[in-house]
Amino acid sequence: AQSVTQLGSHVSVSEGALVLLRCNYSSSVPPYLFWYVQYPNQGLQLLLKYTSAATLVKGINGFEAEFKKSETSFHLTKPSAHMSDAAEYFCAVSEGGYSTLTFGKGTMLLVSP
Amino acid sequence: DTAVSQTPKYLVTQMGNDKSIKCEQNLGHDTMYWYKQDSKKFLKIMFSYNNKELIINETVPNRFSPKSPDKAHLNLHINSLELGDSAVYFCASSQDWGTGRNEQFFGPGTRLTVL
Repeated sequence: AQSVTQLGSHVSVSEGALVLLRCNYSSSVPPYLFWYVQYPNQGLQLLLKYTSAATLVKGINGFEAEFKKSETSFHLTKPSAHMSDAAEYFCAVSEGGYSTLTFGKGTMLLVSP
Repeated sequence: DTAVSQTPKYLVTQMGNDKSIKCEQNLGHDTMYWYKQDSKKFLKIMFSYNNKELIINETVPNRFSPKSPDKAHLNLHINSLELGDSAVYFCASSQDWGTGRNEQFFGPGTRLTVL
């Protein structure tokens, strides 16, 4: 069965600092991996996805993530945080052939001036 | 144009009542989902429908009954509401079921509060 672990329920950074949100997955088959962002009182929006093409994936709003099979990780990064990045971030996995997503518990990103 | 829409956005009701949440997508997708997000923000799949047929029912109480009148709509009816049903319910859709690589598009959510 697939699962996702997001380390750190809250991550605090200063504006302009590097953002690193951690995600580790468990899957019995090659996975597809997703990062979603949820702004307050809104639905989820896709940031980026890994679907077995390039291991370094670029997404919207300057975010990117690198798939590392040996580490079973798919960490999300952004070189320079902006105040508008403050939100809840979810990592999710689906196993090849099935579209059901399993989500991690989310990481709240806090950005201070 | 909203891709995935849900009504109502907020729903406040008493224990024991029956309520429905409606979802519509205008993306031409074949697959639709219902998720429950609890007070700790944890998201869990409840149901998946593909071409109006139920594919996944993740051990949800039978008080919850989804209905898909056509591929563009997936409604959720809840009978005999309980305090523990208070949550945000999200509808989502994806292009198809079988590949797993297609992202899901989420609606804005319905915040259900049971008093």
